[in-house]
Amino acid sequence: AQSVTQLDSQVPVFEEAPVELRCNYSSSVSVYLFWYVQYPNQGLQLLLKYLSGSTLVKGINGFEAEFNKSQTSFHLRKPSVHISDTAEYFCAVKETSGSRLTFGEGTQLTVNP
Amino acid sequence: EPEVTQTPSHQVTQMGQEVILRCVPISNHLYFYWYRQILGQKVEFLVSFYNNEISEKSEIFDDQFSVERPDGSNFTLKIRSTKLEDSAMYFCASKGAHDTQYFGPGTRLTVL
Repeated sequence: AQSVTQLDSQVPVFEEAPVELRCNYSSSVSVYLFWYVQYPNQGLQLLLKYLSGSTLVKGINGFEAEFNKSQTSFHLRKPSVHISDTAEYFCAVKETSGSRLTFGEGTQLTVNP
Repeated sequence: EPEVTQTPSHQVTQMGQEVILRCVPISNHLYFYWYRQILGQKVEFLVSFYNNEISEKSEIFDDQFSVERPDGSNFTLKIRSTKLEDSAMYFCASKGAHDTQYFGPGTRLTVL
């Protein structure tokens, strides 16, 4: 079975600062990795995904993430955040042959002016 | 851009009552899912559905739960006899190409 750990439950930053949201996973088989964002009172929106190929993946809204197999990590980064990036961010993993997504606990990103 | 839609957005019910949560997946998708998120907790997988049958279910998905695709567009989750602990946000998702699940906006279920 797979599991996901998001190391920070809350990350406060100032506008235009860089941010990194950390995600580590555990699995005995090959996995796909995802980041989803949840704005207040809304559903889950896909930010980016790693399925194969280049370990650096770019997503919407200027976010990117790097898959590190040796460290079993998939950290999310953005070089300069905006107030509108305030939301909850979820890292998720799926076995390549499975169907279920397993989510982390979520990281609340709060961007302050 | 196609979206997954869910109705109702909020459902309030009495303990012991049956509820049906409805979802319209993206039209050319073939795999469908239900997840739930209890307030303050992580999103949890409930069930996946393909070719008119359940392909995987979690330990949460007991005999009180059932899923159905009654026609070509809807995908439903039924809870037969709701309990207080069923109060949660329920998300429907569907999958097309590239192994990516797209989520609906959710139905907030409140059991009193």
